[in-house]
Amino acid sequence: IAGITQAPTSQILAAGRRMTLRCTQDMRHNAMYWYRQDLGLGLRLIHYSNTAGTTGKGEVPDGYSVSRANTDDFPLTLASAVPSQTSVYFCASSDGGDPNEQFFGPGTRLTVL
Amino acid sequence: GQNIDQPTEMTATEGAIVQINCTYQTSGFNGLFWYQQHAGEAPTFLSYNVLDGLEEKGRFSSFLSRSKGYSYLLLKELQMKDSASYLCAVKDSNYQLIWGAGTKLIIKP
Repeated sequence: IAGITQAPTSQILAAGRRMTLRCTQDMRHNAMYWYRQDLGLGLRLIHYSNTAGTTGKGEVPDGYSVSRANTDDFPLTLASAVPSQTSVYFCASSDGGDPNEQFFGPGTRLTVL
Repeated sequence: GQNIDQPTEMTATEGAIVQINCTYQTSGFNGLFWYQQHAGEAPTFLSYNVLDGLEEKGRFSSFLSRSKGYSYLLLKELQMKDSASYLCAVKDSNYQLIWGAGTKLIIKP
């Protein structure tokens, strides 16, 4: 079934630990995105990739890194987690055409203690 | 700065009509999206406006006025399953989406 998958579904993590959130899409979309969603705030862009091999910083990139080795995968890494990174993380992709709507994965609920 | 404003919460009755407003101030404009997000789920695409006017899609319609920095989402014949948050997002001059905080719509029988 075409779409985007994310893993894990949820995770509780000790502060200071390293964590990688996985995202895979099988729609052959060029662009991929990582957002965090916090109560009372809109989705905020962390990092994005317009095509395999390239990445860019979004609105809130500090403490996060990404890589885009191929079209399908776009992992997000927290090098040393802090409690303020407790959030729901959504991965999304788009085909780059018009209107270029984004398709979202089911999300990862991350709690940093 | 960039800003998207939506009401935090609205309540409506099953079978009625509701209008959810969105005003925006962004660096550039390359289109406006509405997404639906049920509690605990991912956002899903509802509509897209890039020119002024009304776009109708079944029970949902979306309106845009670029000169006023204003859009609304109109939901007709409300059903209980329409209880969700509705997110407004504007594509800015860098073609990135700026998101509002969303409007939680509560449908009462």
